[in-house]
Amino acid sequence: DTEVTQTPKHLVMGMTNKKSLKCEQHMGHRAMYWYKQKAKKPPELMFVYSYEKLSINESVPSRFSPECPNSSLLNLHLHALQPEDSALYLCASSSGPRKTRGSYGYTFGSGTRLTVV
Amino acid sequence: AQSVTQLGSHVSVSEGALVLLRCNYSSSVPPYLFWYVQYPNQGLQLLLKYTTGATLVKGINGFEAEFKKSETSFHLTKPSAHMSDAAEYFCAVRPFNAGGTSYGKLTFGQGTILTVHP
Repeated sequence: DTEVTQTPKHLVMGMTNKKSLKCEQHMGHRAMYWYKQKAKKPPELMFVYSYEKLSINESVPSRFSPECPNSSLLNLHLHALQPEDSALYLCASSSGPRKTRGSYGYTFGSGTRLTVV
Repeated sequence: AQSVTQLGSHVSVSEGALVLLRCNYSSSVPPYLFWYVQYPNQGLQLLLKYTTGATLVKGINGFEAEFKKSETSFHLTKPSAHMSDAAEYFCAVRPFNAGGTSYGKLTFGQGTILTVHP
């Protein structure tokens, strides 16, 4: 299995709703990531988990809450979002860390298209 | 801090022509470098990556890129464009440092939209 699977593919939610995005990989990768991509823009890093621990939070608003229940799963809990949070949310995973230069590969999922109304 | 610049937000070529997408990075130590392709409403697919070793890297779909340290460049090429190559292409960089706060942070260029004319 060489894929990162994201569900759902599309999500429409109101500003008072609570929803969750799910990401799963079975490649044995120990780092997992959430990226946000607005239309016609590059992906922007939100969170990094390394060995199931949060290692990077790029000053993301608290209405986004990540969770890594185990080494294969990554969730993003959403609450009280704003219309400007509408975007494509991408999950990725990679091998590592390693002390020497090695073969790092990042595998991305196909994303969840989120629309906040 | 790491950064990457893609020259040209739009590139247009004819089918069968050479594809050249430019990428320059800014880093005091040669980083890891990647090229990704994104088709509309889809995720990112890795085309190729440079981490160590040979500076000419071959990827999928006939693409290749050459790491040139002296020019801090990692340009993407394909000898003959196909209609199916039309997509957005992102160059990305992550630092070599395996620890610290820079661990795992993949930073993307602004992207280049490739159009292929018949």
